[in-house]
Amino acid sequence: EVQLLESGGGLVQPGGSLRLSCRGSGFIFSSYAMTWVRQAPGKGLEWVSGISGSGTNINYIDSVKGRFTTSRDNSRNTLYLQMNSLRVEDTAVYYCAKELNYYASGRGSDSWGQGTLVTVSS
Amino acid sequence: QSAPTQPRSVSGSPGQSVTISCTGTSGDVGGYQYVSWYQQSPGKAPKLMIFDVNKRPSGISDRFSGSKSGNTAFLTISGLQADDEADYYCSAYAGRYSGVFGGGTRLTVL
Repeated sequence: EVQLLESGGGLVQPGGSLRLSCRGSGFIFSSYAMTWVRQAPGKGLEWVSGISGSGTNINYIDSVKGRFTTSRDNSRNTLYLQMNSLRVEDTAVYYCAKELNYYASGRGSDSWGQGTLVTVSS
Repeated sequence: QSAPTQPRSVSGSPGQSVTISCTGTSGDVGGYQYVSWYQQSPGKAPKLMIFDVNKRPSGISDRFSGSKSGNTAFLTISGLQADDEADYYCSAYAGRYSGVFGGGTRLTVL
């Protein structure tokens, strides 16, 4: 059974940093692209970032470029999202999701984590 | 990139069919055969219902079907059931290893 377990969320002040982790199990982690999606309270889903299976191809939504960094450690079956210079508008539940393919994020995610809440507030 | 447009809400009675639209651009919905649809119930993670425009994952009822015409994709749910009530999101590949979600549609089963 495919499982994705996120961790690292919490309360942080504006300008602060957090690192989210997402550990995968039940599948060959390195064979799939991975995606970060967030959902602000009462709002819709927003694609944040994606990374190919090898870690070579990475992209971000414009609003987080230069502040967030996505990476993966295939030896540890773990996906990361380093979030710096956090803003109030980054407050959301952050989900990691496994893509259906190896090459690129955004083509369809068949397994999702339970989500981790990031609250940016003073 | 801007989010594809979905109706904020749709409704139907049990047994009826409803169709949800997702209108994007030639850079996302219209440019690739990578449109997905997700169902999300309150407090839960999204669930993949349709991928590659019209394919169903294993275990998804054939009451759910997808299609696309130009820059608009469609999700049709036939034989509406009470537990279909949820939020539905389209998603599309937007090129350069990125994706985009539609704004979401609340389905109410009357």
